[in-house]
Order: sequence, then structure tokens, then C-alpha cells
Amino acid sequence: AQSVTQLGSHVSVSEGALVLLRCNYSSSVPPYLFWYVQYPNQGLQLLLKYTSAATLVKGINGFEAEFKKSETSFHLTKPSAHMSDAAEYFCAANTGGFKTIFGAGTRLFVKA
Amino acid sequence: DAGVTQSPTHLIKTRGQQVTLRCSPKSGHDTVSWYQQALGQGPQFIFQYYEEEERQRGNFPDRFSGHQFPNYSSELNVNALLLGDSALYLCASSLGSGRNTEAFFGQGTRLTVV
Repeated sequence: AQSVTQLGSHVSVSEGALVLLRCNYSSSVPPYLFWYVQYPNQGLQLLLKYTSAATLVKGINGFEAEFKKSETSFHLTKPSAHMSDAAEYFCAANTGGFKTIFGAGTRLFVKA
Repeated sequence: DAGVTQSPTHLIKTRGQQVTLRCSPKSGHDTVSWYQQALGQGPQFIFQYYEEEERQRGNFPDRFSGHQFPNYSSELNVNALLLGDSALYLCASSLGSGRNTEAFFGQGTRLTVV
């Protein structure tokens, strides 16, 4: 069965510092992978997606993620955090069918 | 384009009651998926509708049912509400449902069961 694990329910960084949010997946088949962001009282917005083309995926708002099959990981990074990046981030996977599996989420705090 | 719209935004119900949540997909989208997001957790897939039929279902009891109308809008019905049904219910729409299809999410309906 497929699953998505996000390491760290909370991550705190200083403004201007590197953002690293970790995601590992478990799947018997290569998944399609996604990162979503959720601001308070809002729905989810797609940041980026991996669909078996380039392993380094660039998304919106300066975020990028690298697919590493050997590590079954898809970590999200941003070189320099901005106050507006404070939100909840979800990693998700789809291995076929119509169901997308989400991780439990990581809340990012950005300190001034 | 209004995107995905859900109504109502907030709802309070009593245990044992029934509730109906509504979703209008993004213009041009034909597929609607429903998710339950409990506090502090990621969204959990409830089911997906395409061409007015339920195409796949997650691990949810039969108390959860849905419907899709010819205009692609959808309803989620929950019967015999339990306290544990309190959550944010998210609707996502897409054009088709391929593995790499981007789903657009609404702002959700916050359901509180007391």
C-alpha cells in the first residue's frame, strides 16, 4: 500500500534562511508526487509536481523539489524564506487510479 | 473564473443529523473529488465522481454518499453524524483524472458536530 510520510510536523526558520521540508513515500510502483500549500482557512494550492520527467522540479514562489528514487524521497526546498511562506505544506502521491494520498502536513513558521 | 466554490463555508450540526455539502467545479472541469481533513491531519480521500458516477472510494463508511449532476457540480451527504465527522471537507475538481492531473481545491466547508 502506498503511503506518504512527512518528517517534522513543525519547522521553524528565520527569514532569508533555507527552507527544507522532508517527504518520503512508500510505493511498489513509481508514483507521481506533488507538493501543496495551505494557508489558514483556505484550500490547497499546487506548488509543484513530479511526473517522471526531470527529477528536479521547479514550482511557484521559488520552491523546488528533487525526486530521489534510491531514497524514496521528494523533499521541498527554497533558498531564502519569506514571511509570506508561513503556511501548512502537504506532500502527496498518486500511483495510479483516482486516489491521491496526502502526508500529515508540515507547518512552516518563518521568524523575522 | 471563480475556481472551485463550496457551500456553506461553515456548518454546525448535532449528532445523528444529516448534512449536505455542495461543490461547483472550476469551469471546464468534469471530475470532482471529495476529501476530509481532520484537525492537524492531511486530507483523506472520500470518493471521486465522473460522468455522474462514483469512480473510486476511500476508506469511509456508507454514511458518506455523494452525487454529481449533469453540470458537473457535486454534493457530499453524511448521514447519522458522529462527533468524529467534525472536519474540513474539501472538494477538488480536475479535467479528467490522470495520475499527473492537477486538481484545484475549494476553500472547504468546516463542519462541526456537537
